[in-house]
Amino acid sequence: DIQMTQSPSTLSASVGDRVTITCRASQTLNNYLSWFQQRPGKAPKLLIYGASSLQSGVPSRFSGSGSGTDFTLSISGLQHEDFATYYCQQSYSTPWTFGQGTKVEIK
Amino acid sequence: QVQLQESGPGLVKPSETLSLTCTVSGGSISDYYWTWIRQPPGKGLQWIGYIFYIGSTKYNPSLKSRVTISADTSKKQFSLELTSVTAADTAVYYCARVTRGYSYHGVDVWGQGTTVTVSS
Repeated sequence: DIQMTQSPSTLSASVGDRVTITCRASQTLNNYLSWFQQRPGKAPKLLIYGASSLQSGVPSRFSGSGSGTDFTLSISGLQHEDFATYYCQQSYSTPWTFGQGTKVEIK
Repeated sequence: QVQLQESGPGLVKPSETLSLTCTVSGGSISDYYWTWIRQPPGKGLQWIGYIFYIGSTKYNPSLKSRVTISADTSKKQFSLELTSVTAADTAVYYCARVTRGYSYHGVDVWGQGTTVTVSS
């Protein structure tokens, strides 16, 4: 199985901040990397697919980058509704696997 | 607007079979993969498996001997069966749609999730 490691596990930030979450895969993913946002009690929401493509309807303050085994999700100008947990996920090979999650908290 | 809705029992006894159905509305079931993902209480996401609309499947090896995913295109439904459940299978179960493209799979439409508790 491909192991996905996110860092940090928790991130404290303020409204307006720029934040970056990192995801490292145990082997190369050929850009089969997605990012999801999950608010408490809700289903995950796709933000980024193909490592850097913004899902339709997602605000442009979200961006994804990276290649190979190292990827990042950035949020520029954090908004109140962005305080949530974020997951990376690889779909390069089965079983598809997720990172352990990064909780973005209000500082 | 495609919507997915999970249905099935919220309580299953240990050693019995968990059965869930996902109904697709507002769009076609054809040309997509359809997947099940679960989330134990307070924990992260685990991929269970997927089915392509024509019937080919892939499962998580950690569950493979216990899981079956099937589809009924005429009803626009796909289903999950997980046998011999234990308390470790207690989770929120999500059904979702997977859109494929060049160098990507996007799990882009999700059901609201259904909580399944395994307990006697």
